[in-house]
Amino acid sequence: GAGVSQTPSNKVTEKGKYVELRCDPISGHTALYWYRQSLGQGPEFLIYFQGTGAADDSGLPNDRFFAVRPEGSVSTLKIQRTERGDSAVYLCASSNIPDTQYFGPGTRLTVL
Amino acid sequence: SQKIEQNSEALNIQEGKTATLTCNYTNYSPAYLQWYRQDPGRGPVFLLLIRENEKEKRKERLKVTFDTTLKQSLFHITASQPADSATYLCALDGGRGAAGNKLTFGGGTRVLVKP
Repeated sequence: GAGVSQTPSNKVTEKGKYVELRCDPISGHTALYWYRQSLGQGPEFLIYFQGTGAADDSGLPNDRFFAVRPEGSVSTLKIQRTERGDSAVYLCASSNIPDTQYFGPGTRLTVL
Repeated sequence: SQKIEQNSEALNIQEGKTATLTCNYTNYSPAYLQWYRQDPGRGPVFLLLIRENEKEKRKERLKVTFDTTLKQSLFHITASQPADSATYLCALDGGRGAAGNKLTFGGGTRVLVKP
């Protein structure tokens, strides 16, 4: 079956602009996670959804970052007033069992 | 604060040998530990999970050990092949009582298997 998909695969934007990153989880997976990965480092947790609600958003770095999952499937990560330090690969993962997470290919965000 | 450490230096190994990677953690009491493989430009792929009450887990040529006293996991790739070349990530869950299953990852160790 289809895995987790993320769009766009690459996004280049200018400092101060608004961006949206989309994640399509595996069908039927109730849990969805967003992580951020900088070069040479492991993924860093941002936010976790169980169904439509954000169960844990403790990893969001500041209030410029926001994520939604209105129908309990597709999720969008929104970043306002982007900064150069936001440049990273944004990974989405979904899960339907407590342990294993299935990751998408990521969106590479570059803020100029 | 909680910390997970993996050897940041790349591991170069000859084909056919066993690669051994280390994951050390502090200030954690994880319920389980996971290992993922990540290829360049791709997301991590789940390999193995070991629970706190398990000492060892195997899957094909992979073996993981988990020592909660030492706060350490070892990841072994036996009879290594060039196709095993990738970055391997160790990840811990939020611990007992934590909501959800958010993972905290180590920095990963890059493995290069030479033919």
